[in-house]
Amino acid sequence: AQKVTQAQTEISVVEKEDVTLDCVYETRDTTYYLFWYKQPPSGELVFLIRRNSFDEQNEISGRYSWNFQKSTSSFNFTITASQVVDSAVYFCALILNYGQNFVFGPGTRLSVLP
Amino acid sequence: DAEITQSPRHKITETGRQVTLACHQTWNHNNMFWYRQDLGHGLRLIHYSYGVQDTNKGEVSDGYSVSRSNTEDLPLTLESAASSQTSVYFCASSGQGARDTQYFGPGTRLTVL
Repeated sequence: AQKVTQAQTEISVVEKEDVTLDCVYETRDTTYYLFWYKQPPSGELVFLIRRNSFDEQNEISGRYSWNFQKSTSSFNFTITASQVVDSAVYFCALILNYGQNFVFGPGTRLSVLP
Repeated sequence: DAEITQSPRHKITETGRQVTLACHQTWNHNNMFWYRQDLGHGLRLIHYSYGVQDTNKGEVSDGYSVSRSNTEDLPLTLESAASSQTSVYFCASSGQGARDTQYFGPGTRLTVL
């Protein structure tokens, strides 16, 4: 069975600090897709990134970066120079190539303090 | 711009009543999904559809039903609302492949008294 673990329930940082959100997944399949979503206090779910299991290249988008390591089954998310607007719950999710649905992690609540 | 909408955004109902939550997308996506979000459980899949007339049960489908009569809509019905169904409900849609990125609606907060 598939599983996504986000061990950090809550993280608090001060503005401009860097912060890394951990995501560890379990699957026996070799082809799968990983996602990160952001849920700000307003409640909507915002898509951030999609990565397939054959693409281990790290990705950077502005202050956001993602580190995918198949060897450790991890897909970690780093925010550089955090801002108050980054305060949200962040979800990591997994779907198999022939999967029927996402498996979401429990989420990490990030609070960025001014 | 294409979007996915949900209505109502907030609903209060009584135990035993039938409730229908609407989901409408203009992405022309084949795939649509319903999730519920509860503290401590994250997002859990209720039902999903890969196209018109197709519906499938998810992880927590008991007490819920869906029907897909067109591409744009996937209404979620609670046949006889229970207090355990108090939750925030999210609808999502995705393109051709089941593994494509899912885009979520704004959510419906349902309270069953």
